[in-house]
Amino acid sequence: AQRVTQPEKLLSVFKGAPVELKCNYSYSGSPELFWYVQYSRQRLQLLLRHISRESIKGFTADLNKGETSFHLKKPFAQEEDSAMYYCAPLHSGGFKTIFGAGTRLFVKA
Amino acid sequence: DADVTQTPRNRITKTGKRIMLECSQTKGHDRMYWYRQDPGLGLRLIYYSFDVKDINKGEISDGYSVSRQAQAKFSLSLESAIPNQTALYFCATSDETGGKDTQYFGPGTRLTVL
Repeated sequence: AQRVTQPEKLLSVFKGAPVELKCNYSYSGSPELFWYVQYSRQRLQLLLRHISRESIKGFTADLNKGETSFHLKKPFAQEEDSAMYYCAPLHSGGFKTIFGAGTRLFVKA
Repeated sequence: DADVTQTPRNRITKTGKRIMLECSQTKGHDRMYWYRQDPGLGLRLIYYSFDVKDINKGEISDGYSVSRQAQAKFSLSLESAIPNQTALYFCATSDETGGKDTQYFGPGTRLTVL
């Protein structure tokens, strides 16, 4: 069964500290992976996708096929990074996206 | 992003009532989705539609039905609302070309069933 796990419901870090939001997936085939973010009072929106190998707002995510992980990282957290983050694999068949339960990141001043 | 809109934004209803949530999009996307968001459970897919003639059940379709009236409109109905359907509901669209199925979300509808 397709499954995505975000083990941390809440992650609290100080401003300037590194942050890593964990995501592990269980999928057949080779999924495409996304991170979505929901800031306070804003709608859910795409943060980044692994096929683009991009860095958005200082965040990066590397796909580790051996560990079936797609952790989201940022070397220096900012207060404006406080938000809800969802890891979301898209099955290679393109049928649908499965969202993790989400991790709430809180960056303290 | 006003390209995906949902009405109503908030709704309080009673157990047993029929209710419809509407979603409209101006992005020209073929694919549309309905999710519900519950604390600790993330987003769960209720129904999805890849074009006007294609409707598919998601993870949690029981108690829900949908209608794809046009490419731009995708409605979610609760035939007989119950309290555990209290949640935040999101509509989303995607286009499999170019953006590789990136999803674009509406602002959400907060539904409370008493």
